Amino acid sequence: DGGITQSPKYLFRKEGQNVTLSCEQNLNHDAMYWYRQDPGQGLRLIYYSQIVNDFQKGDIAEGYSVSREKKESFPLTVTSAQKNPTAFYLCASSMSGGAMGQFFGPGTRLTVL
Amino acid sequence: AQSVTQLGSHVSVSEGALVLLRCNYSSSVPPYLFWYVQYPNQGLQLLLKYTSAATLVKGINGFEAEFKKSETSFHLTKPSAHMSDAAEYFCAVRPNQAGTALIFGKGTTLSVSS
Repeated sequence: DGGITQSPKYLFRKEGQNVTLSCEQNLNHDAMYWYRQDPGQGLRLIYYSQIVNDFQKGDIAEGYSVSREKKESFPLTVTSAQKNPTAFYLCASSMSGGAMGQFFGPGTRLTVL
Repeated sequence: AQSVTQLGSHVSVSEGALVLLRCNYSSSVPPYLFWYVQYPNQGLQLLLKYTSAATLVKGINGFEAEFKKSETSFHLTKPSAHMSDAAEYFCAVRPNQAGTALIFGKGTTLSVSS
C-alpha cells in the first residue's frame, strides 16, 4: 500500500541532544513537508521541499534542519537550539503543485526531558 | 497573504444532530480548499477537497462542504452526527502561489454526546 511512514511513534530525548525524525513516502510525490503541532495552535510549517536537493524554511524553522537527498525521504533534525522541542511532529507529501491536497503520516510525538 | 479562519475552536453536538463546522478563507482568486480530520495521536486524513468543479463537495464518512464565493466560506456539514465523528477538524487553503504549503486553520474540536 502507498503511504507515508514516520518513525518512531514516540521519542524521548534528554535536553541538549539532537534528534532526527524519519519520514518516508512511497507515493512518488515530489513535495514533502514537516509540521509541528501544539495544543490549540493548529499546524505550523517547519520546512518543505518541492524537489530533491532543495528545501525552504517555513514559519518556524529556527532550531530545525532537514535534508532531501532522495525523493522518498525527508528527515527532520531537531537540534539543541530549539528552545521548546516537545511537540507532535507531522510529515506530509503532495504531488507537484499541491492542488490535490497533502497526505499525512501518522506523526511522531517527541518528548524532551 | 491568504488565511483561513475557523470559527469556534470547540463545537458540541448530540448524536444524530446536524454538524456544522465553519471555515472562511481570504483569497483574491478562487482557491483550492480542503477539510481534514484528525483523531487523537494520529495524522490528518483528507475528508474532501474543492478544486473549482462543483460547489457542493461530498467527502468521506457522510461529510460535505459547500463553496460559497460570495461569502468566502467553505463550511463542513454532516446531517446526523455519530459518536465516531468526535475528532479535530482542520480547514486548509492552497496558496495561489504554486509550490508552497497549504495554509491551515487552527482547527475545531468536535465533541459528540449520546
